[in-house]
Amino acid sequence: AQKVTQAQTEISVVEKEDVTLDCVYETRDTTYYLFWYKQPPSGELVFLIRRNSFDEQNEISGRYSWNFQKSTSSFNFTITASQVVDSAVYFCALSEALRNTDKLIFGTGTRLQVFP
Amino acid sequence: GAGVSQSPSNKVTEKGKDVELRCDPISGHTALYWYRQSLGQGLEFLIYFQGNSAPDKSGLPSDRFSAERTGGSVSTLTIQRTQQEDSAVYLCASSQGQANTEAFFGQGTRLTVV
Repeated sequence: AQKVTQAQTEISVVEKEDVTLDCVYETRDTTYYLFWYKQPPSGELVFLIRRNSFDEQNEISGRYSWNFQKSTSSFNFTITASQVVDSAVYFCALSEALRNTDKLIFGTGTRLQVFP
Repeated sequence: GAGVSQSPSNKVTEKGKDVELRCDPISGHTALYWYRQSLGQGLEFLIYFQGNSAPDKSGLPSDRFSAERTGGSVSTLTIQRTQQEDSAVYLCASSQGQANTEAFFGQGTRLTVV
């Protein structure tokens, strides 16, 4: 069965520190998609990235970077030089392309607190 | 508006009453999802609609929960005979429904059952 595990419940850092949020997934499918969403205190989930299972190239977007490794079934998210505005709950999610549904299976989230 | 709209934003109801939560997806989006987020918890999948296909109802927790999507657009999530454990934020999302494109979420309806 499909499953997403975010073992870190809460992380606290001081501004300008780098921080990595871990995500481990389980799936039987060879074709799947992985996502990261951010949920700021306002509550609305914000899409950050989507990655398909055939593209293991790491991606960088500004201070954000993602490390996808199929060998360890991980899709980790790193924020470089963190800022107070990065404080939020971050969710990793999995979607399996070959099933008759595009439903997203979410992890339990990691709450990131960045202190000034 | 351009985003996913949910109403009401807050709902307080008495135990045993029925409630209806509404979701207006982004225009043109064929896929619509409902999720539930209990306090401090992750997102629990409830139901998924895609075009005219039969919905994926595999996440509905009991037969007290049902959802409809009329005309391929607006969706209503109905909870009958509400219980205190139904208290949560109910999130709706929509997407273009093509090969797992990103889902856009509404701000949710916070349901409190007293």
